[in-house]
Amino acid sequence: AQSVAQPEDQVNVAEGNPLTVKCTYSVSGNPYLFWYVQYPNRGLQFLLKYITGDNLVKGSYGFEAEFNKSQTSFHLKKPSALVSDSALYFCAVRDGEPGTYKYIFGTGTRLKVLA
Amino acid sequence: GAGVSQSPSNKVTEKGKDVELRCDPISGHTALYWYRQSLGQGLEFLIYFQGNSAPDKSGLPSDRFSAERTGGSVSTLTIQRTQQEDSAVYLCASSYRQAMNTEAFFGQGTRLTVV
Repeated sequence: AQSVAQPEDQVNVAEGNPLTVKCTYSVSGNPYLFWYVQYPNRGLQFLLKYITGDNLVKGSYGFEAEFNKSQTSFHLKKPSALVSDSALYFCAVRDGEPGTYKYIFGTGTRLKVLA
Repeated sequence: GAGVSQSPSNKVTEKGKDVELRCDPISGHTALYWYRQSLGQGLEFLIYFQGNSAPDKSGLPSDRFSAERTGGSVSTLTIQRTQQEDSAVYLCASSYRQAMNTEAFFGQGTRLTVV
């Protein structure tokens, strides 16, 4: 069965420093991977996705993610963090089993950017 | 509308009462998903619709939970005889199609509190 893991419950980073939020995955076929962000009392907002092709995927708000097949990872990155990036981040994978196309989410990583 | 719309945004109900949660997906989106997010937890899949059919209901926690979708558009999630453990944020999402490379767009959720 497909799954994703986010090993860190919380990540703290100083404003202006680079940030990384980790995600590893397990799939039986081709991976379709997504990152979402959730601000307080809001739904999830789509940031970026990996389908195929370039291993570095660029998304919204200056975020990017690096797909690494050998390490089965899809880490979210940003070169220079902003205080406004503080939020809850979810990694997700599509379940390709016949009859379902649900998104399977990790447990989330809370990012705190300190001024 | 421009995005996924959910109503009500907040619902407080007494234990044992029935509740209905509504989701209006983005126009033209054929796939619709319901998830549940408990306080401090990740996203728990409930049910997936393709058109008016629900090929995957595997996440519904008990037979007190049901959902339908009509006209390939609006969906209603019904919880009968609510219990305190049903308290959570219920999130609806839609995607243009069920293809694996398609991202889902989320509504802002309905916060359900059972007292």
